[in-house]
Amino acid sequence: VQMTQSPSYLAASPGESVSISCKASKSISNNLAWYQEKPGKANKLLIHSGSTLQSGTPSRFSGSGSGTDFTLTIRSLESEDFAVYYCQQYNEYPLTFGSGTKLEIK
Amino acid sequence: EVQLQESGPGLVKPSQSLSLTCSVTGYSITSNYWGWIRKFPGNKMEWMGYISYSGSTSYNPSLKSRISITRDTSKNQFFLQLNSVTTEDTATYYCARGKLGRYYFDYWGQGVMVTVSS
Repeated sequence: VQMTQSPSYLAASPGESVSISCKASKSISNNLAWYQEKPGKANKLLIHSGSTLQSGTPSRFSGSGSGTDFTLTIRSLESEDFAVYYCQQYNEYPLTFGSGTKLEIK
Repeated sequence: EVQLQESGPGLVKPSQSLSLTCSVTGYSITSNYWGWIRKFPGNKMEWMGYISYSGSTSYNPSLKSRISITRDTSKNQFFLQLNSVTTEDTATYYCARGKLGRYYFDYWGQGVMVTVSS
């Protein structure tokens, strides 16, 4: 399953809201996870099952979608949110990831 | 708290084998799944494979002939071996815990960068 993630780069200001898209080449039901990557830190699981927040994920993060189209939305960006985000499908093998979205401060 | 830490050589010569260790603390590797993922320069991520709580393995078909994942339960470690490496195997290698039955990764190591070069 190919995962097409967009945009690859996103610039926004603290307080703004942003959305990141992840499209699967075939239906993956809701078997999608979102991760946050920051330099020097372990990757953090934010959301699984398309929309279920992992314990500890702030409520300003939300996930939506099922089938082939998924969205990660971050409302009221905080400074700690500027990072790289990846989606990953786990509906079938091999597990595959999106190409990443780098969220930078405008 | 579950913690994972990758270790191994940062430089490997072409045609040799890449061997990495993932040391796990705070959780037994006889539960859940334990995977290896790598990120290439340019940020493409690739799932390489995993070893399950029972010791069974699953590998990415793109690597199947070159990869082996094993474990030492007495040390709570699992291992990656990738044979016949080329410069295209240059990447940051991560180990991670896979959620039982769901195959997403809820804990990750910080990653170790491996360069394949003569």
